[in-house]
Amino acid sequence: SQQGEEDPQALSIQEGENATMNCSYKTSINNLQWYRQNSGRGLVHLILIRSNEREKHSGRLRVTLDTSKKSSSLLITASRAADTASYFCATPGRSQAGTALIFGKGTTLSVSS
Amino acid sequence: DSGVTQTPKHLITATGQRVTLRCSPRSGDLSVYWYQQSLDQGLQFLIQYYNGEERAKGNILERFSAQQFPDLHSELNLSSLELGDSALYFCASSPVGGSYPEAFFGQGTRLTVV
Repeated sequence: SQQGEEDPQALSIQEGENATMNCSYKTSINNLQWYRQNSGRGLVHLILIRSNEREKHSGRLRVTLDTSKKSSSLLITASRAADTASYFCATPGRSQAGTALIFGKGTTLSVSS
Repeated sequence: DSGVTQTPKHLITATGQRVTLRCSPRSGDLSVYWYQQSLDQGLQFLIQYYNGEERAKGNILERFSAQQFPDLHSELNLSSLELGDSALYFCASSPVGGSYPEAFFGQGTRLTVV
């Protein structure tokens, strides 16, 4: 079952614009991670934010976490065509899924030049 | 390059057949995870092994099984294949049993059942 759900499902922007993706999750977590997947390729870890953190930066990426709303957002600033990919949030699984990462269905970002 | 190797990259087989997907984790990583990615179901967690033992189970069908060997490589066995099993199968590894650190993904095996 899905733990996180990304919104929007798809996003199209121009190069240079900012892209914001949101993730909502259902149960309490101790960390949340964002991954990127280029078409048909493996997922690549982007950033991890712990439950006691509210914001984290990595290059052009900014992630926020609001545990009271059970939501996170990923902001990519000054987007480039190379940022075109699917972006997934992932949270540690619960119960039967142990501690394996559970992924949402992702946001497909398309950046045109 | 994540350091996780999956073979084969592509596999085409007929319904009813059995296939084995192989994964070599990053050097030193003890945990291996298997995921299935399809258009309608998204990225589904199947099973996790840690240092040779099953650690967690997700949405893995009874027709599917996995194991992790002493050298830490892992195999996912899919049997009595159905058309709906066509998907990308990913292996990921991480250094410890929990998901606190990042997971490193292989490039996947694309399985097509015809």
